[in-house]
Amino acid sequence: DAGITQSPRHKVTETGTPVTLRCHQTENHRYMYWYRQDPGHGLRLIHYSYGVKDTDKGEVSDGYSVSRSKTEDFLLTLESATSSQTSVYFCAISESYRENTGELFFGEGSRLTVL
Amino acid sequence: DAKTTQPNSMESNEEEPVHLPCNHSTISGTDYIHWYRQLPSQGPEYVIHGLTSNVNNRMASLAIAEDRKSSTLILHRATLRDAAVYYCILRDVKRANNYGQNFVFGPGTRLSVLP
Repeated sequence: DAGITQSPRHKVTETGTPVTLRCHQTENHRYMYWYRQDPGHGLRLIHYSYGVKDTDKGEVSDGYSVSRSKTEDFLLTLESATSSQTSVYFCAISESYRENTGELFFGEGSRLTVL
Repeated sequence: DAKTTQPNSMESNEEEPVHLPCNHSTISGTDYIHWYRQLPSQGPEYVIHGLTSNVNNRMASLAIAEDRKSSTLILHRATLRDAAVYYCILRDVKRANNYGQNFVFGPGTRLSVLP
């Protein structure tokens, strides 16, 4: 199994509070991604990173920011959490030389509830 | 981005073959066909991928139509552990070189395996 750790795995917070989810990898993979999964929507890409300090928006980036100061860590921040951001968040990684194979490795997910 | 269409759900009996269809009529010449699956309470995991030729690995086989407008994931002998949501995804290799691996996950097919 790919070495991907998401923290926290579960979090309950209140509307308006900041939240940071962390994804840590031990594989030295270039690409890292944050997805959210909601019933009826499948997985949707929030942000991704193609290197240290190199990030870009995905399909549903509003209300989220990311940072990647080290290869191994990709942080997802909700500056002011809203109830619509209640979801399961998945981090994924992939190797650069696998661009043409596209194997993504996913973490176990972080369940966030915003009250 | 090219879209895929999959049945919402399918059922299979244990130890019988399963054929999971995927339609992708707007596929382009540079789109790879990827399959992932998501077991309950886990992140998605890679199953198989292909471009034009049929592919086999230890998990499954991928049969790609000659015109590439459809494909079928084949599980040769379903087990209870194969009960999952299966996602068929197209990935544009050209775009991936500039924007990382932006996979678009649809709702997928929920496979139930009956003992």
